[in-house]
Amino acid sequence: DAGVIQSPRHEVTEMGQEVTLRCKPISGHDYLFWYRQTMMRGLELLIYFNNNVPIDDSGMPEDRFSAKMPNASFSTLKIQPSEPRDSAVYFCASRSSGYGYTFGSGTRLTVV
Amino acid sequence: QKEVEQNSGPLSVPEGAIASLNCTYSDRVSQSFFWYRQYSGKSPELIMSIYSNGDKEDGRFTAQLNKASQYVSLLIRDSQPSDSATYLCAVPRSYNTDKLIFGTGTRLQVFP
Repeated sequence: DAGVIQSPRHEVTEMGQEVTLRCKPISGHDYLFWYRQTMMRGLELLIYFNNNVPIDDSGMPEDRFSAKMPNASFSTLKIQPSEPRDSAVYFCASRSSGYGYTFGSGTRLTVV
Repeated sequence: QKEVEQNSGPLSVPEGAIASLNCTYSDRVSQSFFWYRQYSGKSPELIMSIYSNGDKEDGRFTAQLNKASQYVSLLIRDSQPSDSATYLCAVPRSYNTDKLIFGTGTRLQVFP
């Protein structure tokens, strides 16, 4: 298995632009998580899905952020409009039973 | 009080020494605990999990749990320069064990 696949690896965008991050979980994993990592706040859980259904989005910072999981093999995290304070590394992770999270390689987002 | 607290470090130890990494958590009801290792620029990877009071050993790694003191630690014996990384402690929320809360991590430096 190729693991959790995220794209793009790096994204540089101007303030106000829309940004879409993509994630393909491990086949057979029924949970998918989006985390954001910054030096100041560490890893923060933004939202997670179970069987493609959003379960808890209480970590989404504001309405500018949205996430979807249209099927078991694909999820997106969208920021519109983006702001400099959104600059961070965004990780997607998936798991099946138990707590064995597998993280993707992350997307480093820079908003200028 | 943060839900999961770690000393940010850096913790510097000489090659061959024992590195001791500590973590405290606020939810007294938490039942499971995880240690992740994150190399610079990479994603977190699970290295240890522990569920019962006492010690759990896996190779050079030992996880220690004291639920009464709400304290979990990771010992790395015979530290190697390749162990230099940030170590993240993670604890699921007791009321929603799907949600894994991470500490901000302790940076370990092992020097030759």
